[in-house]
Amino acid sequence: DTGVSQDPRHKITKRGQNVTFRCDPISEHNRLYWYRQTLGQGPEFLTYFQNEAQLEKSRLLSDRFSAERPKGSFSTLEIQRTEQGDSAMYLCASSPDWEQPQHFGDGTRLSIL
Amino acid sequence: GQQVMQIPQYQHVQEGEDFTTYCNSSTTLSNIQWYKQRPGGHPVFLIQLVKSGEVKKQKRLTFQFGEAKKNSSLHITATQTTDVGTYFCARSNSGNEKLTFGTGTRLTIIP
Repeated sequence: DTGVSQDPRHKITKRGQNVTFRCDPISEHNRLYWYRQTLGQGPEFLTYFQNEAQLEKSRLLSDRFSAERPKGSFSTLEIQRTEQGDSAMYLCASSPDWEQPQHFGDGTRLSIL
Repeated sequence: GQQVMQIPQYQHVQEGEDFTTYCNSSTTLSNIQWYKQRPGGHPVFLIQLVKSGEVKKQKRLTFQFGEAKKNSSLHITATQTTDVGTYFCARSNSGNEKLTFGTGTRLTIIP
């Protein structure tokens, strides 16, 4: 069990640029979740996948955000035309199925200049 | 929305003192989970409570789920410096779909 892996750990970009984050879940975990966490707050749900199917998206996920899990393994989260308010820690989590707890990665910290 | 409120927001205790954080919901919870996040770290699952009135212990940590399944608490006996971090409760609707996290209680220990 190597844990949930996220890349990059840190991303600094200028406002208006596009960014993409990657998450590699624990092997054979069917469920994959994306959360966003700002300083002093708890993680907020963004979206989740059951294998390759995206089952739910939060209203927080504007049309600038898109997530994919094309082969049911790793996932990517893309933010287009980044804004200052997108600065946050983006956390990925995975679980074997709906009954099991979620295991979080170390996150990608996004800073918008 | 289906918010979960946590109190207190911050807690500073002397090493060796006890610590308790409370989680409250206005609606009945199907389950409650607790996570710990160390400074600079990611949330780590501690436990899940499902049954009304359930009490579970992990060494110095005691978790309770209220009889009405609207509140929960985490109590740490004789805190140690390794207990430093933010403790979050989190609810999910039925299974383990999206988690809605509480506001968290940040625990600092005075050696």
